Amino acid sequence: AQSVAQPEDQVNVAEGNPLTVKCTYSVSGNPYLFWYVQYPNRGLQFLLKYITGDNLVKGSYGFEAEFNKSQTSFHLKKPSALVSDSALYFCAVRGTTYGGATNKLIFGTGTLLAVQP
Amino acid sequence: EAQVTQNPRYLITVTGKKLTVTCSQNMNHEYMSWYRQDPGLGLRQIYYSMNVEATDKGDVPEGYKVSRKEKRNFPLILESPSPNQTSLYFCASSLPGTGSNQPQHFGDGTRLSIL
Repeated sequence: AQSVAQPEDQVNVAEGNPLTVKCTYSVSGNPYLFWYVQYPNRGLQFLLKYITGDNLVKGSYGFEAEFNKSQTSFHLKKPSALVSDSALYFCAVRGTTYGGATNKLIFGTGTLLAVQP
Repeated sequence: EAQVTQNPRYLITVTGKKLTVTCSQNMNHEYMSWYRQDPGLGLRQIYYSMNVEATDKGDVPEGYKVSRKEKRNFPLILESPSPNQTSLYFCASSLPGTGSNQPQHFGDGTRLSIL
């Protein structure tokens, strides 16, 4: 079964400290992985994606994510957190069928990031 | 500005009263999709459309209908809403092609409360 797991409902970090939001996935074939951020009363905004190539992917607002095939993980990271990073973060994987990847996104349950000043 | 527009943003209504949530995108995207977001469950796909007149069920289609008569519009219809359809709904669109690696663009959401 195809799925995404975000094991932490909430991550707390002090401003200026590094942050990590965890994501693991299960999908057949090569994964297409995405991170989205949701601010209050807004839709999801695309942060970054991994399709192929370098395992370290850089995205918007200073975020990056590391793809680890052996651990089936795609953790989101940032070297120095800002209070304005506080939001709900979703990891997603593109679904697959016998014909290959589809347009369908399978989402994790989300992780609330709280950055304290 | 490239965007996905949903209306209304908020709606409180009663059981059984038909309602439609509109979704429109101005990016000429062929793929469109509806999701519902519930606490602890993340986003779940309701219906999707690969192109005009091509719609299909997602993971949680019961109680919903959609139509795709024009490329830009993808309305979500609740013929007889029930309280278990109280949720936050998102419309999304993306560039065409099965297996596209392009990100989906999301609307700002519609919060429905069914009493």
